[in-house]
Amino acid sequence: GQQLNQSPQSMFIQEGEDVSMNCTSSSIFNTWLWYKQDPGEGPVLLIALYKAGELTSNGRLTAQFGITRKDSFLNISASIPSDVGIYFCAEQNAGGTSYGKLTFGQGTILTVHP
Amino acid sequence: NAGVMQNPRHLVRRRGQEARLRCSPMKGHSHVYWYRQLPEEGLKFMVYLQKENIIDESGMPKERFSAEFPKEGPSILRIQQVVRGDSAAYFCASSSLSQDGYTFGSGTRLTVV
Repeated sequence: GQQLNQSPQSMFIQEGEDVSMNCTSSSIFNTWLWYKQDPGEGPVLLIALYKAGELTSNGRLTAQFGITRKDSFLNISASIPSDVGIYFCAEQNAGGTSYGKLTFGQGTILTVHP
Repeated sequence: NAGVMQNPRHLVRRRGQEARLRCSPMKGHSHVYWYRQLPEEGLKFMVYLQKENIIDESGMPKERFSAEFPKEGPSILRIQQVVRGDSAAYFCASSSLSQDGYTFGSGTRLTVV
């Protein structure tokens, strides 16, 4: 099956710093999704990427779909305390009987010190 | 416009009891997905349902687990004869066919004692 390798596992940064995390896969993907999960809550979609090379921003967040279609990164600029949480990359199955099924990476735990 | 509603938020069961987890999808959504999250891990797909149909249950354990999404009412994930290893957070998500990256509920945290 598909494997997503997400790194780093955890990050401890100072408020105001920029953050970068990435995902790689053993397969070619059609869609990359980035989610954030706050403690005790379900994941919330941050950014969706559909085309190789695509670069998309959402406020202080920027994500890119790698040219090889096997990787993606997420950057957070000027981090603030509310950025704390777990960030997941995910791939969405695009067709067949498993349409919509997501495969998640292991997550990156982000801690921001004021 | 309510989001995906899951209940209960927390559920404690003794070994051997049954656990029933409920999920009401967003209004207008006919696709429901269940995922399981073990501590400090990512979410793992369990089952994909449409109204009255199981579309993909490839992530469901073969025994003790079942899921339904009836014509009326919420989707139910049922775990019979629970064991300690079933302790996890169970998330439901719903989507309309044209939507990518669907909406998750807040989860049910099952603890088996």
